[in-house]
Amino acid sequence: DGGITQSPKYLFRKEGQNVTLSCEQNLNHDAMYWYRQDPGQGLRLIYYSQIVNDFQKGDIAEGYSVSREKKESFPLTVTSAQKNPTAFYLCASSRREKVADTQYFGPGTRLTVL
Amino acid sequence: GENVEQHPSTLSVQEGDSAVIKCTYSDSASNYFPWYKQELGKGPQLIIDIRSNVGEKKDQRIAVTLNKTAKHFSLHITETQPEDSAVYFCAALSYNTDKLIFGTGTRLQVFP
Repeated sequence: DGGITQSPKYLFRKEGQNVTLSCEQNLNHDAMYWYRQDPGQGLRLIYYSQIVNDFQKGDIAEGYSVSREKKESFPLTVTSAQKNPTAFYLCASSRREKVADTQYFGPGTRLTVL
Repeated sequence: GENVEQHPSTLSVQEGDSAVIKCTYSDSASNYFPWYKQELGKGPQLIIDIRSNVGEKKDQRIAVTLNKTAKHFSLHITETQPEDSAVYFCAALSYNTDKLIFGTGTRLQVFP
């Protein structure tokens, strides 16, 4: 898992509630990413950020929001607008996204909507 | 859109045998191909990667081959051990979108 931490490991939410997932890295990486993982599917990109105070939508950004106020932190908020939020969420980072740099993943947060 | 197909979805081998997982990508301009191993309840861990300027790369029992003409790349694990049991993902960096596109994963089970 390198120098990437995600918290909490397990998260339960009631329908209609927003929830924020934490991702911190001490690798001095410029780029950070959020992926969603569902059983039988590959990782799908939610949002990514190449630099502080800038971020772009991935393939499945609807119902999610992010911020990048610090280089080492990239929190993800799952809003009540996300229709099916129960999933395993993975954060990753890399030195730079434009060059094919390796992405390193955190341990993940499993979100369950009750 | 760009996609990566991965086969097989499950693979069972006897300890000591070899395992091969194959991926096909659609973006002919892709130039970076990592492989990740994911154990239950954990994040994916990079195990090997290859760039488009080489055809093969080896690291102890793990090797990756790349055929750019056919847009295929494969992971080879020799002398498998029970601790190799995990889900393996391939990925390709799409030149068009500048994003990693992941395969759907292969669940490898190594029986003692």
